[in-house]
Amino acid sequence: DVKVTQSSRYLVKRTGEKVFLECVQDMDHENMFWYRQDPGLGLRLIYFSYDVKMKEKGDIPEGYSVSREKKERFSLILESASTNQTSMYLCASSFRGEKLFFGSGTQLSVL
Amino acid sequence: DAKTTQPPSMDCAEGRAANLPCNHSTISGNEYVYWYRQIHSQGPQYIIHGLKNNETNEMASLIITEDRKSSTLILPHATLRNTAVYYCIVRETSGSRLTFGEGTQLTVNP
Repeated sequence: DVKVTQSSRYLVKRTGEKVFLECVQDMDHENMFWYRQDPGLGLRLIYFSYDVKMKEKGDIPEGYSVSREKKERFSLILESASTNQTSMYLCASSFRGEKLFFGSGTQLSVL
Repeated sequence: DAKTTQPPSMDCAEGRAANLPCNHSTISGNEYVYWYRQIHSQGPQYIIHGLKNNETNEMASLIITEDRKSSTLILPHATLRNTAVYYCIVRETSGSRLTFGEGTQLTVNP
């Protein structure tokens, strides 16, 4: 089975801190995604990547950046965390245009 | 992107079939319909997908209307463990990007 692993299940950070959320997949998938999920707003796409060193903005990229130096790892970076970035963050991967496999999520609280 | 419309919530009795509807009236000819479910505090899980023919797997059945403007996910014998949010999504043809709506909260009652 495909495994998508997110580095932390819960994370608490302070306003202004630089935050790294890490995601690793073990199935050699080309595509990787970062979503955030908030009550009443569903899942919203932040960034995605089709290949190493390649990235595309999703629907809500403001305040975020990403890094994909290796195929199996896709990092989401909050350069200066703010309270409105408190959310559940979900990473996913897929082989080309096929189904997505999600990680368990990271619940980030910014105080 | 083709948008999807789902009822925000549904109830179903345990052991009965759960039929979850989805409208996607602006779907284009080569866009697939995908269904995912999300159990509380977990990441979404793939259930099934289809283009124009009906599909069945060990988890569910997918019925797509002939004009492809709507579909129904069928859980034939709902269990309490099927309580979850179910997302109906249409995949962009330009790539792998999937846009999720708010889905349907299905509650299976004993």
